[in-house]
Amino acid sequence: SQKIEQNSEALNIQEGKTATLTCNYTNYSPAYLQWYRQDPGRGPVFLLLIRENEKEKRKERLKVTFDTTLKQSLFHITASQPADSATYLCALPGGSTGRRALTFGSGTRLQVQP
Amino acid sequence: GAVVSQHPSRVICKSGTSVKIECRSLDFQATTMFWYRQFPKQSLMLMATSNEGSKATYEQGVEKDKFLINHASLTLSTLTVTSAHPEDSSFYICSASPPGQGFEKLFFGSGTQLSVL
Repeated sequence: SQKIEQNSEALNIQEGKTATLTCNYTNYSPAYLQWYRQDPGRGPVFLLLIRENEKEKRKERLKVTFDTTLKQSLFHITASQPADSATYLCALPGGSTGRRALTFGSGTRLQVQP
Repeated sequence: GAVVSQHPSRVICKSGTSVKIECRSLDFQATTMFWYRQFPKQSLMLMATSNEGSKATYEQGVEKDKFLINHASLTLSTLTVTSAHPEDSSFYICSASPPGQGFEKLFFGSGTQLSVL
């Protein structure tokens, strides 16, 4: 079955450092991969989409890499700030009944200390 | 960006009652909406795909008679949890994608925290 793995342990870093989060997947050949941010008690917010033919994508302080051979995506936040503290979710297209929905990883909680 | 509104944000009900959750796309028409459920410290789990004017498509293991979905207009989908029980307590979130984006970017509602006593 399809599986998406993210480090379930919280990541604690100091303000100003780079945070790196990992998403691994199995039994997928996705056309793209997405990253979302979720704050407690809120719905996820879209951050970035990277396609299978793209190795890297950047948006302001965010950078995402996509290695389809390793079946892995890395999500980086440079110059991290306490406001970046949230849970970050990796998502791939496809549910069990169709390919239009997204399937999410369990998320990694990031805590940026001032 | 596109806005998806969800109501109510929080509901507490007695066991055996039914609860209706509304999901609206405010500035675009959505022929398809998705309903997810999230338990504490767990990921979002897709429950069903709501299709305007036709029956919803449910994920494996989700009881369609328990979770009634109605998508009567291009901007509104409702999820009714029938005869709710404490195990139905969860965070329910809807999402939709503006037309022309191939569902590549989903916009989520703010979620509904359901607590069944």
